[in-house]
Amino acid sequence: DGGITQSPKYLFRKEGQNVTLSCEQNLNHDAMYWYRQDPGQGLRLIYYSQIVNDFQKGDIAEGYSVSREKKESFPLTVTSAQKNPTAFYLCASSAGGRFGSDTQYFGPGTRLTVL
Amino acid sequence: DAKTTQPTSMDCAEGRAANLPCNHSTISGNEYVYWYRQIHSQGPQYIIHGLKNNETNEMASLIITEDRKSSTLILPHATLRDTAVYYCIVRVVENYGQNFVFGPGTRLSVLP
Repeated sequence: DGGITQSPKYLFRKEGQNVTLSCEQNLNHDAMYWYRQDPGQGLRLIYYSQIVNDFQKGDIAEGYSVSREKKESFPLTVTSAQKNPTAFYLCASSAGGRFGSDTQYFGPGTRLTVL
Repeated sequence: DAKTTQPTSMDCAEGRAANLPCNHSTISGNEYVYWYRQIHSQGPQYIIHGLKNNETNEMASLIITEDRKSSTLILPHATLRDTAVYYCIVRVVENYGQNFVFGPGTRLSVLP
């Protein structure tokens, strides 16, 4: 997992509650990402951040929010507005840079279940 | 939508080479091809990437065709631990972001 930690590994939430997923990296990477994965599917990008205090919506940002106050941290909040929040959530980071090669490294993931 | 096409599943005998194909016919000149794999309920693991030359590292080899429209990931001596879903990804640059688009991948089963 290359220095990226996600907590908790499993998370249960009651319908209508907001919940925050943690992602921390000690790789000194500028860029961080959040993906969602549903059973048997590929990954879909929720939000990404190229630098501290800046972030952009991905393909499926509705019902989610993020912050990037520190370089090493990129928490994701799943709000009650997210219609189908039960999924496997993956955080990634990369050194950054607009062009050229830039490899993303992933954390172990958080499995969120809404009861 | 993913810019790559991969077979849904493949089998490989333990100890043999596993050759995983990927089509990326719309790739542009400055886009890299990346390969990741994901073992069940874990985060994806980076394997290798390349632009136009063939690449090799301790995990695998990447063969990219001259026209760059397809590539093959080669695991030279597959083991049971190589059973996973393998993703071929073309790196898309949008604005100043770095969007990796993951498709459904190829489920590789290494058989004893």
